[in-house]
Amino acid sequence: EPEVTQTPSHQVTQMGQEVILRCVPISNHLYFYWYRQILGQKVEFLVSFYNNEISEKSEIFDDQFSVERPDGSNFTLKIRSTKLEDSAMYFCASKARGRNTEAFFGQGTRLTVV
Amino acid sequence: SQQGEEDPQALSIQEGENATMNCSYKTSINNLQWYRQNSGRGLVHLILIRSNEREKHSGRLRVTLDTSKKSSSLLITASRAADTASYFCATARNSGNTPLVFGKGTRLSVIA
Repeated sequence: EPEVTQTPSHQVTQMGQEVILRCVPISNHLYFYWYRQILGQKVEFLVSFYNNEISEKSEIFDDQFSVERPDGSNFTLKIRSTKLEDSAMYFCASKARGRNTEAFFGQGTRLTVV
Repeated sequence: SQQGEEDPQALSIQEGENATMNCSYKTSINNLQWYRQNSGRGLVHLILIRSNEREKHSGRLRVTLDTSKKSSSLLITASRAADTASYFCATARNSGNTPLVFGKGTRLSVIA
């Protein structure tokens, strides 16, 4: 069964450093998302991406964040200068075209900023 | 409360019993989805119910949707220890690309 894959599974970084989280969405999907989940809290939407551009972003997704789809398969989330409060689980998701199609999530990258 | 609020926050039952989790939301939706998350792991899609549907089944799962009350319920019948996880409802607005809005989840513990 096709799945969304994320790498790395866990990343530890020093405050102020840049991190890039990588995702390979399901190959025939058109919509891509990043969500995050701070430990013990709910899953929060960060950004959606379609047709090689951001289609929607939340208040969390400030200038420190960027997304890119550099080739036909990878979808990346970059945090330019990490803060302690960026520590969270980051999930990538992808979805096929259609109003009632489910989003498939990756296993997540646990980011720890120290 | 926020969009997609589940209750109870935590539920503990014996193996074999049924587990019911509820979700309420505030805005109009196109569909509502339920996801499961094992501790520290990814989100697994369980079931999607469209706004024009009232009930849906998948194996031991039964989902209802009442758009007049803006609420949904997830019933897991004959629960097993392996059902122990957090369960989230997530709502999608009226667009194919719309992001999901998640609730805080219900932590289900099934005791063998």
